[in-house]
Amino acid sequence: DGGITQSPKYLFRKEGQNVTLSCEQNLNHDAMYWYRQDPGQGLRLIYYSQIVNDFQKGDIAEGYSVSREKKESFPLTVTSAQKNPTAFYLCASRGGGNTGELFFGEGSRLTVL
Amino acid sequence: QQQVKQSPQSLIVQKGGISIINCAYENTAFDYFPWYQQFPGKGPALLIAIRPDVSEKKEGRFTISFNKSAKQFSLHIMDSQPGDSATYFCAASSSGGYNKLIFGAGTRLAVHP
Repeated sequence: DGGITQSPKYLFRKEGQNVTLSCEQNLNHDAMYWYRQDPGQGLRLIYYSQIVNDFQKGDIAEGYSVSREKKESFPLTVTSAQKNPTAFYLCASRGGGNTGELFFGEGSRLTVL
Repeated sequence: QQQVKQSPQSLIVQKGGISIINCAYENTAFDYFPWYQQFPGKGPALLIAIRPDVSEKKEGRFTISFNKSAKQFSLHIMDSQPGDSATYFCAASSSGGYNKLIFGAGTRLAVHP
């Protein structure tokens, strides 16, 4: 089935450690996005990529890094510079055209101890 | 100017009742207004969307009402069912902004039997 796969679903890390969250899609979508979800704050855009080898900072990029070496993959690294990394992270993709519809993965919940 | 303000934060409705969630925006360049539905532990999924050339769009029990002059739009869920219990997010984007969706803070809906 076509879709977006995020892994791991749950992740626990010690403070000061870098963490990489995986996002893979088989929808043949060009655009991919990373959002962070916190209670009562909706979804906030971290990074997005329109094409391979290109990505742009979103509204809350500090402390995060991404790469887009393949169309299917858009991993997110939560670095030790991120002051409050505990959150629910959502990856999404969007196909061509002007519909604007985002397709989301099931998310990764990161807890920093 | 990029914000989308959503209310209420939480909503309790009896089965068969009407659920109403409201959103307001400032950026007049926004031209795409979707609503996403999210169940616990899952990623959001597109429910219904509208563009500003129409004032209302209906899909089954779900209706978006759009007021361009007031810069407001709302989601109405008719005959609400316990299975509708979820978090609902409004969002907005502009065609010229790489379709970066700006999300509201979310409304947690509980439909009691």
